[in-house]
This record gives sequence, structure tokens and C-alpha cells, in this order.
Amino acid sequence: EDQVTQSPEALRLQEGESSSLNCSYTVSGLRGLFWYRQDPGKGPEFLFTLYSAGEEKEKERLKATLTKKESFLHITAPKPEDSATYLCAVQKPQAGTALIFGKGTTLSVSS
Amino acid sequence: EADIYQTPRYLVIGTGKKITLECSQTMGHDKMYWYQQDPGMELHLIHYSYGVNSTEKGDLSSESTVSRIRTEHFPLTLESARPSHTSQYLCASRPEGNTGELFFGEGSRLTVL
Repeated sequence: EDQVTQSPEALRLQEGESSSLNCSYTVSGLRGLFWYRQDPGKGPEFLFTLYSAGEEKEKERLKATLTKKESFLHITAPKPEDSATYLCAVQKPQAGTALIFGKGTTLSVSS
Repeated sequence: EADIYQTPRYLVIGTGKKITLECSQTMGHDKMYWYQQDPGMELHLIHYSYGVNSTEKGDLSSESTVSRIRTEHFPLTLESARPSHTSQYLCASRPEGNTGELFFGEGSRLTVL
């Protein structure tokens, strides 16, 4: 069964304290892995797409990496405005199908 | 900034009422989706559409129905609301190509008493 598992469920950091979020997946024929950010009461906002093992993408304090079985979202020197729920999703091989989402990691950064 | 809009944002309604959640996008996207999200849980796909007159059920069984008469409009209807329908409903659209980037609306939070 296709599945996306994110850990930890919640993460509390001090401002400037770097850390990583994990997304492990089991899906046959991965066509892409995606990271989204979701603020309370809002819809998810797209961050990154990763297609193949070894690929990396960066945006400000965030860097996403991909291996054959998992992805990491590294947060370097986070700020309070990085507080949000980070969602990982995968796309199945069939073209045009929707994404399968994990439950997310809720990140809280305090100053 | 995504141009996809959902109304109402919040709705409290009694059991047995018929409701329609509206979703409109101005980006000309053919592919549109409805996801259901409960607190602390993953998004579950309940309906999707590849274009006008195309609708399909998603992975999560739902008593709701959808229609796609116009490209920009993808409403979701519950004929008889029940407390088990209480949830957050998120509408999304996707451009052509295979980027996997979904543009989400802000959601409709439904409470059925």
C-alpha cells in the first residue's frame, strides 16, 4: 500500500536551532516528492518538488533532500515565522493522479 | 499568489441540511481536486476532475458529489449533512505538466450539529 510517514509529529525549536524533518515513503514508481507548508486555518502552500535520489532544493532557510526511501527537510537557523505544519506528499506513477499526503510535522520556533 | 477561492470559509449547519461548498479558480487549470482534512490528520482525496464534464471519486469514500460544468468552477455538494461530515474541505487546482504543484484555496470548515 502506498504510504507517506512523517516524523516527528511535532518539533519545538529555539530561534537559530537547526534541525531536520523526515518523510519516509513506500510507493511503487515514484514520480515526485513534494513539500508543502500549511499555516493554521489556511490551505497548504507549495515549497519544493524532488524527482530523483540525490536531488536537493533550497529556499531561504529550507533545504529538501531525497533518497530512495525518504526525504529530509533541513531547517537552518529557523525564525519564529517558520512556525507551521510541513507536509510531505508523493505522486504515483499514473499521470495526472493526485498526491498522497503525510500527516505533517508541526514546527514551533520560539524567540 | 494563487487565484483559487473557496466559500464559505466557515459554515455551521444542522443535520439533514443540503450544503454546497464553492470553489473557483481563475488560472484556467483543467485539473481540480477536493481534499478532506481533519485536525492532525493527512489530507485525503475525495474527488477530482481532469476538465469540464469529468469527475472521479478519490481514495476516501465520501457521500458528497461534485460537478464540473465550467473550467473555473468545481462545487462540492452534500445532500443531507450529518455530524460525521464535520471537517475541513480543501479545494486545489493544478497546471498542465507534471510538476505536482497544487494551488490550494483557504478551505471551508464545516461543522454539522
